[in-house]
Amino acid sequence: GQNIDQPTEMTATEGAIVQINCTYQTSGFNGLFWYQQHAGEAPTFLSYNVLDGLEEKGRFSSFLSRSKGYSYLLLKELQMKDSASYLCAGMDSNYQLIWGAGTKLIIKP
Amino acid sequence: GAVVSQHPSWVICKSGTSVKIECRSLDFQATTMFWYRQFPKQSLMLMATSNEGSKATYEQGVEKDKFLINHASLTLSTLTVTSAHPEDSSFYICSARETEPYEQYFGPGTRLTVT
Repeated sequence: GQNIDQPTEMTATEGAIVQINCTYQTSGFNGLFWYQQHAGEAPTFLSYNVLDGLEEKGRFSSFLSRSKGYSYLLLKELQMKDSASYLCAGMDSNYQLIWGAGTKLIIKP
Repeated sequence: GAVVSQHPSWVICKSGTSVKIECRSLDFQATTMFWYRQFPKQSLMLMATSNEGSKATYEQGVEKDKFLINHASLTLSTLTVTSAHPEDSSFYICSARETEPYEQYFGPGTRLTVT
């Protein structure tokens, strides 16, 4: 079956760094997506990895290891506005997204 | 970046009535559109996938006669909730995707309350 696993909730301190892990099992693989979703709002696209390695985009970076079925989202210099849910999604061979349940990130001052 | 709009943003309707939600891709042609539902503090749940000009593919457990989806053009898809009941109250979100690249762009969502 297809499955995406990520922690339910994480807490971090403003200004710090946090890494949100995601493991995936999909039927075929066409990439790994990360989305951010603030409470009461729709998700917004953060990153897409299809090759192994680290993709950096400002304070956010995303890493992929296809051999391990593993990805992480790294958030640096955390700000209070980063408090949100972070959704990991794997794209299968039919180009359909398989969604994780999301990781709720709580930022404390 | 690609922009997807949704209308209305929120709607309140009476039990037994029907509600139509529109999803538009504003600056790109969406070969595929997706409809999701999200209950409070729960994850996204895919309801159906629609390709322009063909019938929508519904996920298991989603009643296709209750949730009517029409993807009539490359920029517009509609979801009609027929004979709505209070348990249909939820946050309905559409997303759209071109053939390539594959990222889905989400509309702002429609909050439906059935009284």
